[in-house]
Amino acid sequence: AQTVTQSQPEMSVQEAETVTLSCTYDTSESDYYLFWYKQPPSRQMILVIRQEAYKQQNATENRFSVNFQKAAKSFSLKISDSQLGDAAMYFCAYRRSADDKIIFGKGTRLHILP
Amino acid sequence: EAQVTQNPRYLITVTGKKLTVTCSQNMNHEYMSWYRQDPGLGLRQIYYSMNVEVTDKGDVPEGYKVSRKEKRNFPLILESPSPNQTSLYFCASSRASGSRFRGANVLTFGAGSRLTVL
Repeated sequence: AQTVTQSQPEMSVQEAETVTLSCTYDTSESDYYLFWYKQPPSRQMILVIRQEAYKQQNATENRFSVNFQKAAKSFSLKISDSQLGDAAMYFCAYRRSADDKIIFGKGTRLHILP
Repeated sequence: EAQVTQNPRYLITVTGKKLTVTCSQNMNHEYMSWYRQDPGLGLRQIYYSMNVEVTDKGDVPEGYKVSRKEKRNFPLILESPSPNQTSLYFCASSRASGSRFRGANVLTFGAGSRLTVL
């Protein structure tokens, strides 16, 4: 069965610094997608970044980038120039292409220190 | 505006009283799904649907029912709620990964429904 592990329940980073959130997953599938979603205090779930497993190039979205290591089954999120608005719960998610089953990690709560 | 609408947003009920949480999307998405969010457990998928009349169990389907009679609606039914179903529930939709919109499988979430079962 697929699993998604986020080993850091909570993290803190100074404003303007860089922080990396880790995510590992376990699957025997070759075709899948990986996502990072953000949940601010408003509870609304928002996409941060998306990675297709068949693409070797790491996805980037402005200050957000991933380090996708397919062989190691690792999918970490790097936030550069952290801002107060980045404070949120971050969820890593795996989506299997065959049937679109989705598995989320337990989340990492990120605090931004002014 | 493209959105997923779920109702009610807040509900307090008693054990055994059947309830339905509605979910509707206006984006013509094939895929719809339900999740519950509990502290320390993240989001767990309850049920998902690839299209009309097609539903599959997620990781925590016990105590829940769903139906997909129309493409836009995907209600979550608790036939006999129990206190362990107290949770924050999210509905979400997207294109299917296998569709010609393969690149559009990002989930759009509803605002969440806070359910308390006494």
